Amino acid sequence: EVQLVESGGGLVKPGESLRLSCTASGFTFSGYSLNWARQAPGKGLEWLSIIGIGSNPIYYADAVKGRFTTSRDDARNSLYLQLNSLRVEDTAVYYCARSLFVNGYTKGLDRWGQGTLVTVSS
Amino acid sequence: DIQMTQSPSSVSASVGDRVTITCRATQDINNWLTWYQQKPGKAPELLIFATSTLQSGVPSRFSGSASGTDYILTISSLQPEDFATYYCQQANSFPFTFGQGTRLDIK
Repeated sequence: EVQLVESGGGLVKPGESLRLSCTASGFTFSGYSLNWARQAPGKGLEWLSIIGIGSNPIYYADAVKGRFTTSRDDARNSLYLQLNSLRVEDTAVYYCARSLFVNGYTKGLDRWGQGTLVTVSS
Repeated sequence: DIQMTQSPSSVSASVGDRVTITCRATQDINNWLTWYQQKPGKAPELLIFATSTLQSGVPSRFSGSASGTDYILTISSLQPEDFATYYCQQANSFPFTFGQGTRLDIK
């Protein structure tokens, strides 16, 4: 069974940093691209980042470019999101999700974790 | 970036009703449109990709289509478990972007 489990969320102050982890099982982790998305309380979904096979390519949403960094460790079946310079508006549930490949390209997110809550507040 | 506009933002319907939700992109997305269902407190689930391809395990009452620049999710006969929020997402180019969501609740 495919599973994605996020961890590392918590309460931080504006300007602080946090590192989220996503541990995967039930599929060949190294053979998939992986994504981060988030959802602010009571709001819609926001795609944040993708990391390809072999960590190439990596793309970000404009809202987090330069502040967040996505990485992966295939030996540990783990995906990471480093969140720096956090703002109040970064408060959200953060999800990791596996890419759905169509002809070798990501065309959706077919498996999601349960999410981890990041709260940024003074 | 490509913007996705969903309509309506909310809809009330009854079990057995037919419901349609529309999504429009600000640029051509070459039919790379994905639909998700999200229930309260849960992660989203992929329903349809590439405009009209049902994800494995998704009931056939769900269907997707395109008409011009509009992408349409249709639920042919609502079941109690279908009351949820639905999101479209363009998967044509990065950054991927979601619509704002359509909340489907019981009339």
